Amino acid sequence: DQQVKQNSPSLSVQEGRISILNCDYTNSMFDYFLWYKKYPAEGPTFLISISSIKDKNEDGRFTVFLNKSAKHLSLHIVPSQPGDSAVYFCAASDPAGGTSYGKLTFGQGTILTVHP
Amino acid sequence: EAGVTQFPSHSVIEKGQTVTLRCDPISGHDNLYWYRRVMGKEIKFLLHFVKESKQDESGMPNNRFLAERTGGTYSTLKVQPAELEDSGVYFCASSPFRGRETQYFGPGTRLLVL
Repeated sequence: DQQVKQNSPSLSVQEGRISILNCDYTNSMFDYFLWYKKYPAEGPTFLISISSIKDKNEDGRFTVFLNKSAKHLSLHIVPSQPGDSAVYFCAASDPAGGTSYGKLTFGQGTILTVHP
Repeated sequence: EAGVTQFPSHSVIEKGQTVTLRCDPISGHDNLYWYRRVMGKEIKFLLHFVKESKQDESGMPNNRFLAERTGGTYSTLKVQPAELEDSGVYFCASSPFRGRETQYFGPGTRLLVL
């Protein structure tokens, strides 16, 4: 039973345009969400996060939106650059996992390709 | 500051053999996590150490997997005996304190069981 889903395996975008990556979750106990970026042969690196008390968080070109009622979050990258080409993972954690507060539940990832 | 390191980077073994993966977290990080990604699917949690204690091992697939963290420093993950379905990329991550802080991931160990 996958609690975090990224339904788009891949996304292709032109340089300078907006990239929108989507993520859905089923566990209503999740209260903290993160996006990680992963290049080939490397481990995931943290990109941006959002707490469930917010609906938006910005960091430079990256903005994460959270819609709790829809159990949906999205990552916007504006403008997209070729160096953004990577696999993007959505992740979530819940406080009810009291013995493992930092345990992350990941989606399958979306491969983003930004064309020059 | 050195990041999370993992050894080996790749391992190819035959079914039934034993493999031991090692993770060196960032110095001073009390929290150490193991995750696994199988065949391009989601990254799945395996277990969490706080210092040398296992805080949560709910993601360990079965008793063929044994994780240790001697002295609260580096950690090993042993698979014995390995099965075909154990193939995948094993990631280690560390973070300094309990809570919502960022987890820093290592490059992973790519395990192939033939």
